[in-house]
Amino acid sequence: EAGVAQSPRYKIIEKRQSVAFWCNPISGHATLYWYQQILGQGPKLLIQFQNNGVVDDSQLPKDRFSAERLKGVDSTLKIQPAKLEDSAVYLCASSSRGGGTTDTQYFGPGTRLTVL
Amino acid sequence: GQQLNQSPQSMFIQEGEDVSMNCTSSSIFNTWLWYKQEPGEGPVLLIALYKAGELTSNGRLTAQFGITRKDSFLNISASIPSDVGIYFCAGSKDRNSGYALNFGKGTSLLVTP
Repeated sequence: EAGVAQSPRYKIIEKRQSVAFWCNPISGHATLYWYQQILGQGPKLLIQFQNNGVVDDSQLPKDRFSAERLKGVDSTLKIQPAKLEDSAVYLCASSSRGGGTTDTQYFGPGTRLTVL
Repeated sequence: GQQLNQSPQSMFIQEGEDVSMNCTSSSIFNTWLWYKQEPGEGPVLLIALYKAGELTSNGRLTAQFGITRKDSFLNISASIPSDVGIYFCAGSKDRNSGYALNFGKGTSLLVTP
């Protein structure tokens, strides 16, 4: 079974530029998550989708971050405009069911973003 | 999100030693999870705990869900060099919180041969 795919793996941009990350979850997984992991920290949830609907986006900085999962499969996370403090690894995860407490999340390798 | 306090921050041990790390929170969680992350990779689930007091093993790994539901520990017995990585605890609350995972800051483990 193929795992969670993410691209690009690395991205370097200047502040105030825009950037987009792509995630393809494990086939058939209904729930998709985007996490931000700053160096030396644990992952922090940005947004959770179930199919193509948003379940939780309470920690997404909506003035600059946006995410979509239009067909309920792959997803795109965008930052516009980027700030220095957005430098982090952006992890995508997916789970098979409705995101309940027993629903295992499988993580992709992440995209490492550096904002100069 | 809820802050989880994980300790120690780092450990440097010799192959064959046992390792113990823990995680505490000021609020209750319904699920405790332990993940391992290696450089350039996403976290991988090691053990999941769903009931207060539960003790679960996975090979050389053993984890427990604290009775108060505010803490958990992970033990690794007879460590080997491939145990190197960052170990994260994570807690999940309930449906009203969207089952979001709250992660600790991690314990970095280094094992020398």
